[in-house]
Amino acid sequence: EAGVVQSPRYKIIEKKQPVAFWCNPISGHNTLYWYRQNLGQGPELLIRYENEEAVDDSQLPKDRFSAERLKGVDSTLKIQPAELGDSAVYLCASSLRSKGTSGGHNEQFFGPGTRLTVL
Amino acid sequence: KNQVEQSPQSLIILEGKNCTLQCNYTVSPFSNLRWYKQDTGRGPVSLTIMTFSENTKSNGRYTATLDADTKQSSLHITASQLSDSASYICVVRDYGQNFVFGPGTRLSVLP
Repeated sequence: EAGVVQSPRYKIIEKKQPVAFWCNPISGHNTLYWYRQNLGQGPELLIRYENEEAVDDSQLPKDRFSAERLKGVDSTLKIQPAELGDSAVYLCASSLRSKGTSGGHNEQFFGPGTRLTVL
Repeated sequence: KNQVEQSPQSLIILEGKNCTLQCNYTVSPFSNLRWYKQDTGRGPVSLTIMTFSENTKSNGRYTATLDADTKQSSLHITASQLSDSASYICVVRDYGQNFVFGPGTRLSVLP
C-alpha cells in the first residue's frame, strides 16, 4: 500500500513569489492534515480536513496561506506571497476516522514533507 | 494551554547503550499518547501508542511508559543502534481530534 505522497520534496523560491505543495493521502483516509515544522521543533498544525471540509484552520495564516481539498482526496497548500519566515518543512498526514469514535487511535500517517527555502 | 514538553533536547550515546527520553504533558482531556521517530528528511513514523489505561507498551527495542496521574511518559531504547539516530517526538491527542506535538529529542548514536 502506498503511503502519503507529497511533492515537490524540495522547493527554493525568492521572497514574494508564490509556491504550492501537493499531497495525496493514503487511499480511503478521510482526514487530512497540513503541518509546518521548523528546524528542531515539532510539527504545528496548519489545517485539518474531514473529507473536503476544512474543520480546523485556526492556525492557518489566511492572509497568505490557502488550502483546498477538492473531492476530498488530494490537497494543495499554497503560499502567496512567500516570506523569509515561511522557510520550513511542510508535512502532510492522513488518517481514517471511524464514525462514532470521539477517542480511538486514528493513527496519523505522514508523508516525507516538502522542504521550502525562501531566499 | 495544552502543551507537551520533552527532555532532553538532544542526547548523544554510544552504540549498544540504553537511553530514556522524557515527555510531560498538560493536554486535557487525554485520549492517547504516541511516540514517533523522525529520521532526517522524513516524516514521523509511529512507534507506540498508549491510552489512559495502559502504562507500558513495547515495540522491539523501544518501550514506552505512561503515568496518566502525573502526566508523564518515557521512551526507553535498549541496546541502541546507529539507525536509532533520529528525532523522537511525543504527541498527545485529546478527545477533539487535536494532536499536540512536543518539540522532540534529537538522539545521536555514535559508533
